[in-house]
Amino acid sequence: QVHLVESGGGVVQAGGSLRLSCEASGFLFRSYGMHWVRQAPGQGLEWVAFIRKDESTIFYTDSVEGRFTISRDNSKNTLYLQMDNLRPEDTGVYSCAKGFCGATSCPLGGYFDHWGQGTQVTVSS
Amino acid sequence: DIQLTQSPSFVSASVGDTVTITCRASQGTESYLAWYQHKPGEAPKLLMYAASTLQTGVPSRFSGSGSGADFTLTISSLQPEDFAFYYCQQLKTFPLTFGGGTKVDIK
Repeated sequence: QVHLVESGGGVVQAGGSLRLSCEASGFLFRSYGMHWVRQAPGQGLEWVAFIRKDESTIFYTDSVEGRFTISRDNSKNTLYLQMDNLRPEDTGVYSCAKGFCGATSCPLGGYFDHWGQGTQVTVSS
Repeated sequence: DIQLTQSPSFVSASVGDTVTITCRASQGTESYLAWYQHKPGEAPKLLMYAASTLQTGVPSRFSGSGSGADFTLTISSLQPEDFAFYYCQQLKTFPLTFGGGTKVDIK
């Protein structure tokens, strides 16, 4: 059974840093692309970043480019999100998600077939 | 960036009703579109991918259609466990984007 468990969230002042982790189990982690998604209070879902299974391809949403860094350690089955120069608008629940390819449809990042419960990040001004 | 406009943003319905949610993209996404169900405090759940393919384990009362820029999620015979938020997502190009969401509430 697939499990994704995020950790590392907390309360930080604007300009500060946090490092999120997503520990994966129940599947061959090194074979799948992974994503970070966030949800601000009272808002919808927002995709944040993607990393391919071999780290050869990485994408970010514009608002975090240059401040956030996605990475992974396939030997530890763990995905990371290093968040620097945090802003109040980065506040929200951050979740990791596993990319999935259907039999006849496989977009670059894969569809998000499993998600973690998320970790809360609060940035105070 | 591809913008996704979902409508309605809120729908009030009764058990047994049929609910239809639409998702319009600002440009064509081919069929790289997914639908998710999200209940507060829980992880989102993939319902549909490739616009009309039901994810394993999802009840057949959920169906999806569309291609290009206009998509629909239909929930037939609404069940108590279906009251939740629903989001469409395009995976044609990065940055990946979600629609604004539709809350399906109990009438």
